[in-house]
Order: sequence, then C-alpha cells, then structure tokens
Amino acid sequence: EAGVAQSPRYKIIEKRQSVAFWCNPISGHATLYWYQQILGQGPKLLIQFQNNGVVDDSQLPKDRFSAERLKGVDSTLKIQPAKLEDSAVYLCASSPSWTEQYFGPGTRLTVT
Amino acid sequence: AQTVTQSQPEMSVQEAETVTLSCTYDTSESNYYLFWYKQPPSRQMILVIRQEAYKQQNATENRFSVNFQKAAKSFSLKISDSQLGDTAMYFCAFMKGGSQGNLIFGKGTKLSVKP
Repeated sequence: EAGVAQSPRYKIIEKRQSVAFWCNPISGHATLYWYQQILGQGPKLLIQFQNNGVVDDSQLPKDRFSAERLKGVDSTLKIQPAKLEDSAVYLCASSPSWTEQYFGPGTRLTVT
Repeated sequence: AQTVTQSQPEMSVQEAETVTLSCTYDTSESNYYLFWYKQPPSRQMILVIRQEAYKQQNATENRFSVNFQKAAKSFSLKISDSQLGDTAMYFCAFMKGGSQGNLIFGKGTKLSVKP
C-alpha cells in the first residue's frame, strides 16, 4: 500500500513570496490533515478535511494560508504572502478512522 | 484546553538497554486517546503505540509498552532492548474522544541509542 505522498520535500523562498504544497493521501482515506511543525516543537493542526469539506480550520491563519481538497482526494496548502515565522515542516496526514493517522514525509519550508 | 508536556528534551541509552520517556497531560475530558509517535531524521511520523483512556490495561507493541496512570495524567513509554534504529524524536500526543482526529502533541524527546 502506497503511503501519503507530499511534494516538494524542500522549498526555499523569500518573505512575501507565495508557495504551495501538495499532498496525495492513502487511497480510500476520507480524512486529511495538514500540520505545521516549527523546529523544536510538536506538530500543530492547521486544517482537517473530511472528504472535500472542512471539519476544523480554527488554527489556520486565514489571512495568508489557504487549503483546498478538490474531489475529496489530493490537497494543496498555500501560503501567500510568506513570513519568516512560516519556516517549518508542513506535514500531511490521512486517516481511514479518526484514531489512526498516517503521515507523509513532510515539506521543509525555509523563508529568508 | 488540553496540554501535553514532555519534560525530557533529550535522552540517551546504550544499545540493548531499557529506557523510559515521560509524558504528562492535562485535560478535563473523560473520553480520550493517547499516542506515542516516532519521528526519525527522515521526518515521517510513525505511530508507535496507542492507549484508549477507558482501558485499564497498558498497551504493548513488541518492545514498546506504556505505563498509563490515569489519575496522575501520566503516560510514559518504555522501550526495551533498545536498537540503533530507535534513535529518533518521540512525541506524546493527546486526542479528545469524538474530536475527529485533532492530535495535540508535546514538544518531543530526542532519543539517542548508542552502540
């Protein structure tokens, strides 16, 4: 069974630029999560989708972050414009049930 | 609000020995789940073990076991017969029952297994 795929693995941008991350969950998993992991901390949930609907986006900085999950499969997370404090690893996870989450390898974003 | 605290930023253990990682949490919920995740340098989070709060029996997965003390709100992870491949960051996480999967993580403990 293929795991959660994410791309790119690394991204370096300048502040005020925009960036997008892509996630392909495990086939059949209805729930998809985006987490932000700042260096030295545990992951923090940004947004959760159930199929193509948003379940929880209470911690998503909506003035600069947006996410979508078209057709209930792949998802993209966008930051526009990026700030220095957005430097982090962005993890995508998918779940067949809400007590099991399978994580992708993450995208390491550096904002200079 | 729920919080998860891991008081040991770093730990080391000799290969084949046993090590225990600590985790405490704060919640007023009665229905919840606790997890330990491993994150090697590759960054991919891997589930190590899961404990349902309503179960009194401590969860065990091969060399990994937990000591779940519900009254003390403590959830420690014991790794027996440590292997070099166990070197990683370990995160304790909390999920409220019925929260549809919102994991709340601690800051992690960096474990180094030495040959």
